[in-house]
Amino acid sequence: ILNVEQSPQSLHVQEGDSTNFTCSFPSSNFYALHWYRWETAKSPEALFVMTLNGDEKKKGRISATLNTKEGYSYLYIKGSQPEDSATYLCALPRGGANNLFFGTGTRLTVIP
Amino acid sequence: EAQVTQNPRYLITVTGKKLTVTCSQNMNHEYMSWYRQDPGLGLRQIYYSMNVEVTDKGDVPEGYKVSRKEKRNFPLILESPSPNQTSLYFCASSSPSTYSYEQYFGPGTRLTVT
Repeated sequence: ILNVEQSPQSLHVQEGDSTNFTCSFPSSNFYALHWYRWETAKSPEALFVMTLNGDEKKKGRISATLNTKEGYSYLYIKGSQPEDSATYLCALPRGGANNLFFGTGTRLTVIP
Repeated sequence: EAQVTQNPRYLITVTGKKLTVTCSQNMNHEYMSWYRQDPGLGLRQIYYSMNVEVTDKGDVPEGYKVSRKEKRNFPLILESPSPNQTSLYFCASSSPSTYSYEQYFGPGTRLTVT
């Protein structure tokens, strides 16, 4: 078991608002951090895999940063749209790249 | 089209009746995993496989078996299902050749055990 915590557990924002949420993890023995988006009735899809301290990744209006020294990653969504409504999961590998441990996720609802 | 397929997508069964959920990927990925998702608990890994004939337990392996006889297939076997195995199951695959090891998930199998 890995101590991966995501906050907040759920979030409601208005369309057009920007938002962010956090994934916290043990800073020792860091290998990589994954972010996934999981829409209702679909399967999780990879957003980013981050490995380097200070790394920043961007995909459209979604971006992520990584601080491996203090053990956290932020996911930002700029100008939220209703289609951004989903659960956002972070995950870290343990021992092997395929042995992922997932956080419980942040459920985002964007209100039109 | 690159994909992970699972069958069946939905299954209602009774306690004790053996069942198999199939998983197949067409991306030639070495790594495959099974997860279950329960409300409030997130995705929990059941078993994973690094390659053919190489499998290992995840966080919640009790009551499940897997096999990896071919690279593309990774079936999940419930020898004697019980109601606490009612859940949403996902199969996933990934490859070290992509460097990122991002996981590609199947569509999910919703299992109900009565």
